[in-house]
Amino acid sequence: AQSVTQPDIHITVSEGASLELRCNYSYGATPYLFWYVQSPGQGLQLLLKYFSGDTLVQGIKGFEAEFKRSQSSFNLRKPSVHWSDAAEYFCAVGARNYGQNFVFGPGTRLSVLP
Amino acid sequence: NAGVTQTPKFQVLKTGQSMTLQCAQDMNHNSMYWYRQDPGMGLRLIYYSASEGTTDKGEVPNGYNVSRLNKREFSLRLESAAPSQTSVYFCATTGTGRNEQFFGPGTRLTVL
Repeated sequence: AQSVTQPDIHITVSEGASLELRCNYSYGATPYLFWYVQSPGQGLQLLLKYFSGDTLVQGIKGFEAEFKRSQSSFNLRKPSVHWSDAAEYFCAVGARNYGQNFVFGPGTRLSVLP
Repeated sequence: NAGVTQTPKFQVLKTGQSMTLQCAQDMNHNSMYWYRQDPGMGLRLIYYSASEGTTDKGEVPNGYNVSRLNKREFSLRLESAAPSQTSVYFCATTGTGRNEQFFGPGTRLTVL
């Protein structure tokens, strides 16, 4: 069965600083990998996804993530954080059999200092 | 094109009351899902429907029932609400060949 861990429950960074959110997964084959963002009181919005090919994927809002098979990781990065990036971030893994078995990590809450 | 819609947005119930959460999508997607979100636990799958006419249990199905009314609509029913079901409930969909999920805005449910 798949599982996802996000080791950091809460991260605080200063505006303009770089950001890396960690995600590790457990899955028997190459998974589909996702990062979602949730602003307070809102639903989840897809930031980026990895299905195959280039292991560095670009997403919306200046985010990128790198798939590292050897480390079972899919860390999210942003070179310069904006105050509007304060939100909760969820890593998720999807099985390659269509339409089933998505597993979400517990989330990392990001606070941004002015 | 509304995407995924959920009603109601907020609901307060007393223990033992019943209610149905509604989800509708206009994306022509086959698969639909119900999750609950609790602090520190991410999203946990309650039930899903891979296609019209089929439903399957997820990780935390106890205390819930679902109906896939047609391709567009997937409802979640609490027959006898309990305080442990206080949560935020999200509906999501997935289309053919695209395994990303699209989420509704959520229903915040409180059971007293």
